[in-house]
Amino acid sequence: IAGITQAPTSQILAAGRRMTLRCTQDMRHNAMYWYRQDLGLGLRLIHYSNTAGTTGKGEVPDGYSVSRANTDDFPLTLASAVPSQTSVYFCASSEGDYNEQFFGPGTRLTVL
Amino acid sequence: GQNIDQPTEMTATEGAIVQINCTYQTSGFNGLFWYQQHAGEAPTFLSYNVLDGLEEKGRFSSFLSRSKGYSYLLLKELQMKDSASYLCAVRDNDYKLSFGAGTTVTVRA
Repeated sequence: IAGITQAPTSQILAAGRRMTLRCTQDMRHNAMYWYRQDLGLGLRLIHYSNTAGTTGKGEVPDGYSVSRANTDDFPLTLASAVPSQTSVYFCASSEGDYNEQFFGPGTRLTVL
Repeated sequence: GQNIDQPTEMTATEGAIVQINCTYQTSGFNGLFWYQQHAGEAPTFLSYNVLDGLEEKGRFSSFLSRSKGYSYLLLKELQMKDSASYLCAVRDNDYKLSFGAGTTVTVRA
């Protein structure tokens, strides 16, 4: 059982480029989340999805979009990357929004 | 909004006990989580408290006082592998988590 996978593991991106971070879970969890983790700031919620077909905004949604076409996949898109989006991005999932969250291995993104 | 405070760093000796405090001021409260994160890895779930009191799980225990907005994570019989960051997270009434910045624990031989 893989749990949660994220791709790519790391990426260097030129400012202004479009980028999609992929997240797939095989646990049939209903809820999925995207966080960014920056030194000294901890994990901050970008977007979430309580169930397939629905999404919501977290604490820092600007510059990011998500979709949830099915239960397993929750991609995060940066439409036009900026240097302030340099961060480590974690995808997470939970059986329901009441349960503990399981995290993927992360994507380290550098925007130059 | 949520304001979650925990110490930045702590150092302890192998075999000792360390207590990591977390204080929070939140607009809603629906449980408190502790996660462990080794350098370069994903956070992993350690414990959950929603009622006041102590929850024990092996060498790790977590305590909650809702009236004081306070929790601690107690790590006993420290091992070198316990060197990691420990993240305190509060769940709000919309079931969303807000995380503290994390406490980096270094275990020395």
